[in-house]
Amino acid sequence: DADVTQTPRNRITKTGKRIMLECSQTKGHDRMYWYRQDPGLGLRLIYYSFDVKDINKGEISDGYSVSRQAQAKFSLSLESAIPNQTALYFCATRQGSNTEAFFGQGTRLTVV
Amino acid sequence: ELKVEQNPLFLSMQEGKNYTIYCNYSTTSDRLYWYRQDPGKSLESLFVLLSNGAVKQEGRLMASLDTKARLSTLHITAAVHDLSATYFCADPGGARYNDMRFGAGTRLTVKP
Repeated sequence: DADVTQTPRNRITKTGKRIMLECSQTKGHDRMYWYRQDPGLGLRLIYYSFDVKDINKGEISDGYSVSRQAQAKFSLSLESAIPNQTALYFCATRQGSNTEAFFGQGTRLTVV
Repeated sequence: ELKVEQNPLFLSMQEGKNYTIYCNYSTTSDRLYWYRQDPGKSLESLFVLLSNGAVKQEGRLMASLDTKARLSTLHITAAVHDLSATYFCADPGGARYNDMRFGAGTRLTVKP
């Protein structure tokens, strides 16, 4: 089993719908991140969390919210999906600052 | 603010040729990471550079880090088709920043 697991792997949803992407990890890392990948733009940080009581906005948090339900679980919600949120979403984890990040397999989200 | 600039963004090479990808970053971090992404896949760790002057080599790829210039390079020697992928550099943020920022990625295509 993967150390960082994302569900679902693929999702098609309609404009205006609420959708949740989930991430769980077995690495025991304290920090968890959500990134969005668009062609030519690399990875952009949406939100990150140091622990269950700490949530921080990244570069592009508008239109998104997150929840850190446990040290091992970090979910990303789109309250009202719009087509320009169509992208590949990655969850990543790492232990402490200034360290290597480990990625989930990604969720391909399409908003129609 | 964390900024990571990677160039070139697109690189088309003939097999057997050499080339270098450049990564400039903005923090005073003493380390930098390189990742590889195959189409439709997640990011996998390629090199971990942990100090100024660090050099790592794996096969036809060699990465180096100059923390004074805030520059890392990924050198490709005698390219082969299997190296075709997108390569990302990442600044882990050092002691000051808690997030991790990525370059836009270099999409490498190696042609026969």
